[in-house]
Formats: sequence, C-alpha cells, structure tokens
Amino acid sequence: DGGITQSPKYLFRKEGQNVTLSCEQNLNHDAMYWYRQDPGQGLRLIYYSQIVNDFQKGDIAEGYSVSREKKESFPLTVTSAQKNPTAFYLCASKNSGANVLTFGAGSRLTVL
Amino acid sequence: DAKTTQPPSMDCAEGRAANLPCNHSTISGNEYVYWYRQIHSQGPQYIIHGLKNNETNEMASLIITEDRKSSTLILPHATLRDTAVYYCIVRVNNAGNMLTFGGGTRLMVKP
Repeated sequence: DGGITQSPKYLFRKEGQNVTLSCEQNLNHDAMYWYRQDPGQGLRLIYYSQIVNDFQKGDIAEGYSVSREKKESFPLTVTSAQKNPTAFYLCASKNSGANVLTFGAGSRLTVL
Repeated sequence: DAKTTQPPSMDCAEGRAANLPCNHSTISGNEYVYWYRQIHSQGPQYIIHGLKNNETNEMASLIITEDRKSSTLILPHATLRDTAVYYCIVRVNNAGNMLTFGGGTRLMVKP
C-alpha cells in the first residue's frame, strides 16, 4: 500500500544531542513537508521541499535541518540549537496540483 | 491566503449530524476550501475540498455559501470515531508551498 512512513514513532534524547527523524514515501509525490505540533496547538511548518535537492524554510526552521537527496525521502534533523525540541513531528507529502496532503503517523520526540 | 475562523469546540450526539462552520470572509475567487481532521496523536487526514459548488464524498458533505464567505462541513451520522480536531483551510490550488493549520474545531461526539 502506498503511504508515508515515519520513524521512530517515539524517541527520547538527552539535551544537546542531535536527532534525525526519518520520513519515507512511496506515493511518487513531488513535495514533502515537516510540521511540528505542540500539545493542544495547531501544526506549524518547519521545512518543505518541492523537488529533489531543493527545500525552503517554513515558519519555525531555526534549530532544524533537512535534506532531499531522493524523491521518496525527506529526513529532519533536530539540532542542539533547537531550544525546545520536545514535540510531535509530522511529515506529509503531496503532488503538484490540489492541496491534498498525505500525512505520516508522526514521531514523538522527548528531550530529557 | 485567506484567513479562516472556526469555533474552538463543539459537541454532537452520536448518530446525529455534525455541522462544523468555517468563516472565510476574505476568500478570493481562485481559493479553494479544504477540510482536514486530526484524531488524537495521529497525522491529519484529508476529508474534502471545494471551490463554489457543494461537494459530497463518502466521508462528508461540504456546503459553501453563494458568496463563498463561509462554509459548513457536515458529517451526516456522527460516530464516536469522528471525535477529532477539524481544520478548515483556504488555499489556491497548484500552490507548491505550505498549508497552514490553525487551531481548528475540537469536535466531541458523545454517546
């Protein structure tokens, strides 16, 4: 079945450590997105990529980095520069055209 | 993008229709209305979208007013599994960049 796979589902890290969240899609979608969600809040855009080897900052890119070396993969690194990284992270993708996003199940990061 | 306004929360009895309103009074002529929902601790799920005409699919119906300044998402027979946060988004199609998900409406379906 086609879809988006995020891993790991749960991740615990110590302060000051970089962590990388994986996002893989087999939908042949062009664009991919990373959102952050804090408890009781809406989604905020971190980074997005419309094509391979190109990506743009969203509203809250500071302390995060991404790469888009392959169409199906868009990993997110949460660096030690991110002041409050504990959150629920969601990856999404869509084709050019209608704004119908397909989301992954999310990764919940807790920094101890 | 046009800004949307939704009530923060609503209740609905199981088996009854849930009518979720969205105000988008500054919508422009080429902007579509999209609805997504997010069940607790899951990724959001696309429900339906429309431009001018009313739309229906297996999940819901979307009613857009003639002046397009507001819309209503209708879940005809709400079940407990429809308890979720519902997001209304207004966006131009073929826009390659991001969708913004605001606070949405938290729908609680009660037995």
